Amino acid sequence: DAKTTQPNSMESNEEEPVHLPCNHSTISGTDYIHWYRQLPSQGPEYVIHGLTSNVNNRMASLAIAEDRKSSTLILHRATLRDAAVYYCILRDVGSGGSNYKLTFGKGTLLTVNP
Amino acid sequence: EPEVTQTPSHQVTQMGQEVILRCVPISNHLYFYWYRQILGQKVEFLVSFYNNEISEKSEIFDDQFSVERPDGSNFTLKIRSTKLEDSAMYFCASAPPLRTGGEKLFFGSGTQLSVL
Repeated sequence: DAKTTQPNSMESNEEEPVHLPCNHSTISGTDYIHWYRQLPSQGPEYVIHGLTSNVNNRMASLAIAEDRKSSTLILHRATLRDAAVYYCILRDVGSGGSNYKLTFGKGTLLTVNP
Repeated sequence: EPEVTQTPSHQVTQMGQEVILRCVPISNHLYFYWYRQILGQKVEFLVSFYNNEISEKSEIFDDQFSVERPDGSNFTLKIRSTKLEDSAMYFCASAPPLRTGGEKLFFGSGTQLSVL
């Protein structure tokens, strides 16, 4: 899986927007950009994914650079419950088939201040 | 939303003993995974399972580990002879049939294994 680079930690205030960056300069044409998060003492949880276009869902928005070498996860109004480790993961499904694993890096630890 | 369930939530065992960690994936899912996370470290891939066989395993998944889907609903991870370094949180995950490449993995809440 291609490598991603994320800041080790970020801090935000409650009810303010948060922009979590991710660099993936070696991304290939068949890599999807996935974001997961891990709340304290829980398993990872899907947040959002995209390929080329920006994406929105009820949890967050994903902004993908035109050259796809970076992306930003946007939490529009951070809450205390959003405090977690956020992982940006590239997922190559170009070869298809039965292996569909995710490879986790260290992620970004997001702290939300009340 | 459907959930992946894991039992037990905590397992304490003596070094050298066998343990079986159990998972019930989401019912229409076809891809199954085990991951582990040692305290303070990254979530590490152990094994993926599809069509009743292992599709990929990491170097962590040595001969002491095995997986099984014995009855079409449960998915188990067995460690034959536990070592101290096997102490970790073990996560099971499942994914629906592959369509576009964007399908998400659903993770359970984990089993904390402590080897004494």
